[in-house]
Amino acid sequence: EIVLTQSPATLSLSPGERATLSCRASQSVNYFLAWYQQKPGQAPRLLIYDASNRATGIPARFSGSGSGTDFTLTISSLEPEDFAVYYCQQRINWPLTFGGGTKVEIK
Amino acid sequence: EGHLLESGGGLVQPGGSLSLSCAASGFTFSTYAMSWVRQAPGKGLEWVSTISTGGERTFYADSVKGRFTISRDNSKNTLYLQMHSLRAEDTAIYYCAKFRSPTYSLGFDIWGQGTMVTVSS
Repeated sequence: EIVLTQSPATLSLSPGERATLSCRASQSVNYFLAWYQQKPGQAPRLLIYDASNRATGIPARFSGSGSGTDFTLTISSLEPEDFAVYYCQQRINWPLTFGGGTKVEIK
Repeated sequence: EGHLLESGGGLVQPGGSLSLSCAASGFTFSTYAMSWVRQAPGKGLEWVSTISTGGERTFYADSVKGRFTISRDNSKNTLYLQMHSLRAEDTAIYYCAKFRSPTYSLGFDIWGQGTMVTVSS
């Protein structure tokens, strides 16, 4: 099973600041990594697929990068609605696995 | 835009059974692989199971293998999850989710609102 480790567990930032979230895989997942945003009481929302492709309707301030074992989700300038939990997920191997999440909170 | 609506959650005793359904609309259900993903209270996301477009291939997390069965009825645009021998650790919100592409790729782009399953005596 591929283990995805997200860091930091919590990121405390102010609106307008840049957020950089990390996801590290225990073995290469090529570029087969997705990112999701989840707000309290809501289902997850797909942000990025295949490492760097924004899903439909996702603002340009969200970007993904990386390949192999190291991936980054960047939010260029935090909006109030961006404070949430973010998860990465790999799809190169079964079982599909998710990272433990990074909570982006208001400082 | 597509929509998924789960139903069937509830309170069940340890060792009991429960069946979940997920009704799909707004997209051609039969052309997409589908999955169940769960989230224990206050915890992260855990993939549970996936089924191919026609139902001929199924995949399970080790934690549910042999106890859960995923199936689909393309004529009814509905996904199912039959759960047996339920344990306390199966307590979670269960989401059905659609892959963005017809294969098992490009992430889950549509999620239901989830249905809560509580396993407790």
